[in-house]
Amino acid sequence: EAGVAQSPRYKIIEKRQSVAFWCNPISGHATLYWYQQILGQGPKLLIQFQNNGVVDDSQLPKDRFSAERLKGVDSTLKIQPAKLEDSAVYLCASSFRGTGRVTDTQYFGPGTRLTVL
Amino acid sequence: KNQVEQSPQSLIILEGKNCTLQCNYTVSPFSNLRWYKQDTGRGPVSLTIMTFSENTKSNGRYTATLDADTKQSSLHITASQLSDSASYICVVSPNDYKLSFGAGTTVTVRA
Repeated sequence: EAGVAQSPRYKIIEKRQSVAFWCNPISGHATLYWYQQILGQGPKLLIQFQNNGVVDDSQLPKDRFSAERLKGVDSTLKIQPAKLEDSAVYLCASSFRGTGRVTDTQYFGPGTRLTVL
Repeated sequence: KNQVEQSPQSLIILEGKNCTLQCNYTVSPFSNLRWYKQDTGRGPVSLTIMTFSENTKSNGRYTATLDADTKQSSLHITASQLSDSASYICVVSPNDYKLSFGAGTTVTVRA
C-alpha cells in the first residue's frame, strides 16, 4: 500500500515569511497527526485530526500555526509568520482508527525539513 | 519535563556486534510502550509494542524488554548490520489516547 506522502521535502525561508506543508495520509486512515521534530529531540504532537475534526491541538502555537483537513483526507499545516525556532522537521502520520490504543499503529511520512534563516 | 529518558544519546558499534539501548519513563499511568526506528531523512517506523503485561517482544534481530515495576525498557540489537544505523525512539502511552516521545538514541554501525 502507498505510504504517507508529504511535500515539499525541504523548505528554506526567511523569518517572518509564511510557509505551508501538505500531507496525504494512507487511504482509509481516519486519523491524521502533525508533529514537530527539532534536531536531537523526539517528535512533539502539534495537532491530531479524527476525520476532519480536531481531536487535540493543545500544543499548537495558534498565534502562528494553523492546520486544516478538508474532506477528512489531505491536510495542510501553515506557519505565518515563521520564527527562527520553527526550524525543524514536520512529520505527518496517519492511523486507521486513531484511538491511540495498542492496535493503532501510526504510519509516518518522510517529513518536511524547514530551515528558517 | 520530559517523562521519557533515553540513554545513551548516541553510540557507535562495529558490524556484527550487539548493543542495548535504554529507556526510563515516569509516565503514569502506563498503557503501552513502543520502540520506533527512524532512518535519516525518513519518518519513524514501529518496531515493537508492549503492554504492561508483556516482558519481552521480538522483531527479527530486535528484542525489546519491559519492566513495568521499575519503569524501564531496553531494546537489544543482535548481530548489528549497517542498515541498523538509525535513531531509535522510545514512546510511552499513559492511556489509550496520548503518546510521550523520548529524544531517541542514535546508533551508528561501522564496517
